Amino acid sequence: DTAVSQTPKYLVTQMGNDKSIKCEQNLGHDTMYWYKQDSKKFLKIMFSYNNKELIINETVPNRFSPKSPDKAHLNLHINSLELGDSAVYFCASSQGVRSYEQYFGPGTRLTVT
Amino acid sequence: RKEVEQDPGPFNVPEGATVAFNCTYSNSASQSFFWYRQDCRKEPKLLMSVYSSGNEDGRFTAQLNRASQYISLLIRDSKLSDSATYLCVVGGGNTPLVFGKGTRLSVIA
Repeated sequence: DTAVSQTPKYLVTQMGNDKSIKCEQNLGHDTMYWYKQDSKKFLKIMFSYNNKELIINETVPNRFSPKSPDKAHLNLHINSLELGDSAVYFCASSQGVRSYEQYFGPGTRLTVT
Repeated sequence: RKEVEQDPGPFNVPEGATVAFNCTYSNSASQSFFWYRQDCRKEPKLLMSVYSSGNEDGRFTAQLNRASQYISLLIRDSKLSDSATYLCVVGGGNTPLVFGKGTRLSVIA
C-alpha cells in the first residue's frame, strides 16, 4: 500500500510549457505539502494545505499554482516552465500543521530543457 | 546564520563503527525536532523524533540541547544499510519545518 503517491515520477519538458504533478495520500492526514529539492539537495517547502485550505506559501513564483480538491489530494501546476525549475518535487503529508511528522511521496524528477 | 546547519560530510566509516552527527539551529522558538534519512534518489523518510530528554531507537540515539540549540544523532554498530544522507529537521509553532542540507554517511565493508 502506497501511503503518499505522486505522478508522474519523471517529467522532461521544454521551456515555456505548462505541466502538472499530482499527489495523493491514503493516510487520512489533514495537511499536505509541496517541497522542491534542487541540485544541491536542499529541500525547501513551497506550499502547505490544511483541509484544502492554503496555509503556507513560501516565496514561490506565481507560475506555480497548487490545488487541493480534497484533503487527500494536492496537485501542482506549473506555467511557463523555466530551466531553473528543474528539480525533484516531493509531496508530503502530516496529521496536523507545520511541526508534525511528515511522510513523503517518491518524488517527481522534473527536467526542463 | 543558516536556520539549520549540518556538516555535509561525507563520513566514511567501517562496518561496526560508531558515528555521530551534529546539527545546530538558529530559531530558539523551535519546538519540534526530527532526524530524517534520505537514500540516493529516494524520498526523505522519518528516522526518529528528538525529545528533550534524549531518546533511543535500537542502534540510534538522538539528543537535544536547547540551551546550545544543538541536536545530535549517534549510530552504533554501523551497518552497510545505514549508508544514506541524514537530514536534521526543526520546526516551531509558527514556522514550517526547516530541513538541513544533510550529512552523507558511507559505511564501508
